[in-house]
Amino acid sequence: EAQVTQNPRYLITVTGKKLTVTCSQNMNHEYMSWYRQDPGLGLRQIYYSMNVEVTDKGDVPEGYKVSRKEKRNFPLILESPSPNQTSLYFCASSPGLAGAAAKNIQYFGAGTRLSVL
Amino acid sequence: AQTVTQSQPEMSVQEAETVTLSCTYDTSESDYYLFWYKQPPSRQMILVIRQEAYKQQNATENRFSVNFQKAAKSFSLKISDSQLGDAAMYFCAYRSYSNFGNEKLTFGTGTRLTIIP
Repeated sequence: EAQVTQNPRYLITVTGKKLTVTCSQNMNHEYMSWYRQDPGLGLRQIYYSMNVEVTDKGDVPEGYKVSRKEKRNFPLILESPSPNQTSLYFCASSPGLAGAAAKNIQYFGAGTRLSVL
Repeated sequence: AQTVTQSQPEMSVQEAETVTLSCTYDTSESDYYLFWYKQPPSRQMILVIRQEAYKQQNATENRFSVNFQKAAKSFSLKISDSQLGDAAMYFCAYRSYSNFGNEKLTFGTGTRLTIIP
């Protein structure tokens, strides 16, 4: 079954304690992206990756890091989480430039609810 | 930069009736894509319908259809024969036709739809 898997689904942590949210897709997609969802703001892009070792900032990258060492994985790293990073996070993937990019549909993971105390 | 506006934070409809959710957007581009996503209580992001800006014909998917008015930059979603399972947050989203490989979706703030039995 084609899917994007995020872990963990729920996470409560404290300010300053480094954490990683994992994202894995089994569709051999080139493009992956992270979004955060906040009430009244919709979803906003944090980072994206067009392929292995190719990443770039989205609209709200401050306080986050990503890496893309393997095609299937795109972890989101919070080196020193702060309360304003409490949010619902989504990973998404699509075929990217390897597909019919104009027609690509993004597949979303189930979301990770993060609370930073 | 593109913006997407959903002016109805909440809507309700009687079961089996028809409801229309509004979405307007702002862009200087001529080619782009528009989407409606559904987010039920499970938080999963589910693609409902997609419209390509160069197509004049409005997209339809079973009970879901859109009214795409390119000149007015309007993209409303009509749900016919509403069912209890349609209760969810609905997000309107915009994607540039070509953005140098970044398939970023720009989301509106969402409309919470309640179905009244």
